[in-house]
Amino acid sequence: ETGVTQTPRHLVMGMTNKKSLKCEQHLGHNAMYWYKQSAKKPLELMFVYNFKEQTENNSVPSRFSPECPNSSHLFLHLHTLQPEDSALYLCASSQEALQGVGYTFGSGTRLTVV
Amino acid sequence: GENVEQHPSTLSVQEGDSAVIKCTYSDSASNYFPWYKQELGKRPQLIIDIRSNVGEKKDQRIAVTLNKTAKHFSLHITETQPEDSAVYFCAASIGGNTPLVFGKGTRLSVIA
Repeated sequence: ETGVTQTPRHLVMGMTNKKSLKCEQHLGHNAMYWYKQSAKKPLELMFVYNFKEQTENNSVPSRFSPECPNSSHLFLHLHTLQPEDSALYLCASSQEALQGVGYTFGSGTRLTVV
Repeated sequence: GENVEQHPSTLSVQEGDSAVIKCTYSDSASNYFPWYKQELGKRPQLIIDIRSNVGEKKDQRIAVTLNKTAKHFSLHITETQPEDSAVYFCAASIGGNTPLVFGKGTRLSVIA
């Protein structure tokens, strides 16, 4: 483990389900990120949180809802997803959002929407 | 905003040969350029990075070069080994509160 833990590792959900992805970092970092990784867009930024405040929402559909209760935890709440949302969702953290230095990625959650 | 183009998308080399992956960026204000390696089924991991005040950086068999005038940077892997097989991503950042922008990745296969 690199200090960024994501759960669950795999998730299969129906289009009407509601589920949440969890990310936790033990590195003392202040910035956390959600990325979507798919064959079409290998590393697509979704959300950025810096000191618990959302600083970027990269035009993500509202069926994805992030939550950052503190600098160590990041959630991605999912509801009424579409099959095209199936992908690997990666969480990352860095010391601060300034300069985007030294991202540490989690192992990801492999999401399949059926 | 920043746009990062990465080439080639796939690369096959014989073990022991060198591999070069190139990236171009659009924003001349970009000042930080990391490279990540993602092995099959694993997370991306930072392998080397360079800042705009440096033209070249080496770490054992890997090196990165930066040409600010042409707005491109490259990853060089010498004496490739089968364990170098992975997807490599370049990225760029202009700093401030702007996060990294990644290229689309290069799948490197080292043939034994």
